Amino acid sequence: AQTVTQSQPEMSVQEAETVTLSCTYDTSESDYYLFWYKQPPSRQMILVIRQEAYKQQNATENRFSVNFQKAAKSFSLKISDSQLGDAAMYFCASQYSGGGADGLTFGKGTHLIIQP
Amino acid sequence: NAGVMQNPRHLVRRRGQEARLRCSPMKGHSHVYWYRQLPEEGLKFMVYLQKENIIDESGMPKERFSAEFPKEGPSILRIQQVVRGDSAAYFCASSPQSGEYGEQYFGPGTRLTVT
Repeated sequence: AQTVTQSQPEMSVQEAETVTLSCTYDTSESDYYLFWYKQPPSRQMILVIRQEAYKQQNATENRFSVNFQKAAKSFSLKISDSQLGDAAMYFCASQYSGGGADGLTFGKGTHLIIQP
Repeated sequence: NAGVMQNPRHLVRRRGQEARLRCSPMKGHSHVYWYRQLPEEGLKFMVYLQKENIIDESGMPKERFSAEFPKEGPSILRIQQVVRGDSAAYFCASSPQSGEYGEQYFGPGTRLTVT
């Protein structure tokens, strides 16, 4: 079974600053995927960034980047130059990639507040 | 290309009634996933379906809940004899048949309120 833990229920950052959201996971699988999803007040789930476990290079999408530490089972999200539109719930998720597309396992989320 | 559609967006049911939630996947997608989000929680996987087949229902409650994805038409999540604890947001996601792992596209969700 996979578990995903987000230890920060809420984070606050000043606009234009950088913030890092933490995520740890536990899986016995060797081949898996990791994701960060954003859920704004509209509740629509939006994929922010994904990482394949077999890739050592950290994924980057514009202002969003991850720090993937496979041995430590850590997958943090860094948001640079924070913008007001980044305010949302952020969920870390994992997916086992063997034997067919499996459901995602989500953490409980981090509420990100952007201070103007 | 329209995204994943879910309807209704809001559904109110009295205890004991049935709730039917619909999900139309993105065009060309034949994999559908249902998730439930309780207040202040992350999404919890319920069931994974392909056309006319349930692939994984390990997250589905054993009683009162069922899901289908017929050859024609949307996927349906059905909750019989609803109770207050079923109040939640229910999300559907779809992925393409030959897509890479992780390409799940989410619908806007259905918020179910049981009174």
